Amino acid sequence: AQSVTQLDSQVPVFEEAPVELRCNYSSSVSVYLFWYVQYPNQGLQLLLKYLSGSTLVKGINGFEAEFNKSQTSFHLRKPSVHISDTAEYFCAVSDTVPDKLIFGTGTRLQVFP
Amino acid sequence: NAGVTQTPKFRVLKTGQSMTLLCAQDMNHEYMYWYRQDPGMGLRLIHYSVGEGTTAKGEVPDGYNVSRLKKQNFLLGLESAAPSQTSVYFCASRPGFLNQPQHFGDGTRLSIL
Repeated sequence: AQSVTQLDSQVPVFEEAPVELRCNYSSSVSVYLFWYVQYPNQGLQLLLKYLSGSTLVKGINGFEAEFNKSQTSFHLRKPSVHISDTAEYFCAVSDTVPDKLIFGTGTRLQVFP
Repeated sequence: NAGVTQTPKFRVLKTGQSMTLLCAQDMNHEYMYWYRQDPGMGLRLIHYSVGEGTTAKGEVPDGYNVSRLKKQNFLLGLESAAPSQTSVYFCASRPGFLNQPQHFGDGTRLSIL
């Protein structure tokens, strides 16, 4: 079965600094990867997804992620963060049959002024 | 455009009481899911449904039952609530096409005393 590891439970960063949130998944023949964001007291919203094609995926709010098959990673990046990016971020991998999502434990991004 | 709606948003129960959480989606999605979110554990799948009249167990199904009598609704039942079921519960839905992203509700915060 698939598994997802988010290496950092919390990432503090100052506003306008770059940030990288790390995600590693267990190897599989085919894999589909997602990043979701959860703002306080809300559900999860899709940031971006990798299904196939270009390994650099662009999402909403200026985020992007790179699929690296050899490293089994799907790290999320943003070149300049805003206070409003403060939230919890979840990496997820799609299991094969019957197409369930396996979530990581989340990374809390805290942006300071 | 409501998307995925969960009711109620908050509930406090006593140990041994029963209740049903309702999830309704207006996007004509085939798949529906129930998750629980606990600190440091990410989202864990309780039960899911791939279509009207069908349900299946997820990662943590014990103590819960579900029903999908109508395509747009997915009910999660707790027959005899236990303090270990104190959590935030999220419902999600997605189209039937392979590896489409899930759409989440805003969650139900449930406390069992």
